[in-house]
Amino acid sequence: AQKVTQAQTEISVVEKEDVTLDCVYETRDTTYYLFWYKQPPSGELVFLIRRNSFDEQNEISGRYSWNFQKSTSSFNFTITASQVVDSAVYFCALNDNQGGKLIFGQGTELSVKP
Amino acid sequence: EADIYQTPRYLVIGTGKKITLECSQTMGHDKMYWYQQDPGMELHLIHYSYGVNSTEKGDLSSESTVSRIRTEHFPLTLESARPSHTSQYLCASSAQGWNADTQYFGPGTRLTVL
Repeated sequence: AQKVTQAQTEISVVEKEDVTLDCVYETRDTTYYLFWYKQPPSGELVFLIRRNSFDEQNEISGRYSWNFQKSTSSFNFTITASQVVDSAVYFCALNDNQGGKLIFGQGTELSVKP
Repeated sequence: EADIYQTPRYLVIGTGKKITLECSQTMGHDKMYWYQQDPGMELHLIHYSYGVNSTEKGDLSSESTVSRIRTEHFPLTLESARPSHTSQYLCASSAQGWNADTQYFGPGTRLTVL
């Protein structure tokens, strides 16, 4: 069965600190995709990144970076120099090869204090 | 930028009422989804559709029903609302084809049943 685990339920940091959100997944598929979404207090889910299982290159987008390691089945997300606007719930997700359904982790609530 | 809309954004209603939550997208996506999200943050898939006249139940059993008469429209209906239906409902859509297409989410509807 496919599963996504975000062991950190809540993280609290002070502005300008770096923070890493962990994501561990389980799948028997050899081809799969991983995603990160951000859910600010307003409630919508904002797509951040998609990564396929054949591409283990790390990716950086501004203050955001992602570390994908197949050997440990992890897809961690780091925010550098965090800002108050980064406060949100972050979800990691794995696609289900049965029609593209997403399996979500439990979410990590990040609080960035000024 | 995703163009997917949900109305109403907030709804407070009494027990026993029939309600319809609207979801529309202007991206021409074939696949659409409904998720339920309780205050505990986890998202649960309750319905999905691969195209017009296609509807399937998701992983979480729900008393709601859906219809897909037009590509752009995927409404969710509760025939008789109960307090246990109080939750946030999120609609999403994705393009057809490779089953890992990114899902784009609407702003959500926060439903409270008194």
